[in-house]
Amino acid sequence: KAGVTQTPRYLIKTRGQQVTLSCSPISGHRSVSWYQQTPGQGLQFLFEYFSETQRNKGNFPGRFSGRQFSNSRSEMNVSTLELGDSALYLCASSPGGTTGGNEQFFGPGTRLTVL
Amino acid sequence: GQQLNQSPQSMFIQEGEDVSMNCTSSSIFNTWLWYKQDPGEGPVLLIALYKAGELTSNGRLTAQFGITRKDSFLNISASIPSDVGIYFCAGRHSSYKLIFGSGTRLLVRP
Repeated sequence: KAGVTQTPRYLIKTRGQQVTLSCSPISGHRSVSWYQQTPGQGLQFLFEYFSETQRNKGNFPGRFSGRQFSNSRSEMNVSTLELGDSALYLCASSPGGTTGGNEQFFGPGTRLTVL
Repeated sequence: GQQLNQSPQSMFIQEGEDVSMNCTSSSIFNTWLWYKQDPGEGPVLLIALYKAGELTSNGRLTAQFGITRKDSFLNISASIPSDVGIYFCAGRHSSYKLIFGSGTRLLVRP
């Protein structure tokens, strides 16, 4: 099976702009989670989508949003970018559901730099 | 954000030595996961633990789910240069989100 893919791998934006990142989960996986990774804060949970519904949400401002499509692909959007949004954004997929799917498999990440 | 207490923060060891790192939490977890991350890549799942007291191995790696469900450790035996990287623990309780430790940076001296 192909792994989790994320596009683009690298992105440079300026303050005030918005950005959309994409994630394709492992085939058959219905849950997609997003994380922000920075040297100072480590891995921080953004949100999780399961069957096109946001099932869990971290403590990030409303500028961070996401969605999931019927094919389980997910996008996250960051509006009005700030310098502090520079980070590695990681997507992880898992089978989801309540009977299992605790294991999350990560993509390579999108490195976002805000200038 | 909420994080697990992972230690040590970094280790610089000689090739061939054994390594041990651990994570503790004030909360009870139902699942413990251990990941390794190489520079510029996403974390790769090493071991998953689902039951208190469970001891699981993956090659030279061994991890245990603590009896209290509030801690876990990872051991690496006979370290080799390719073990270099950052190791993360992650725990999950009743919700679906994972909470990550701050990572242990491992450096191996040939």
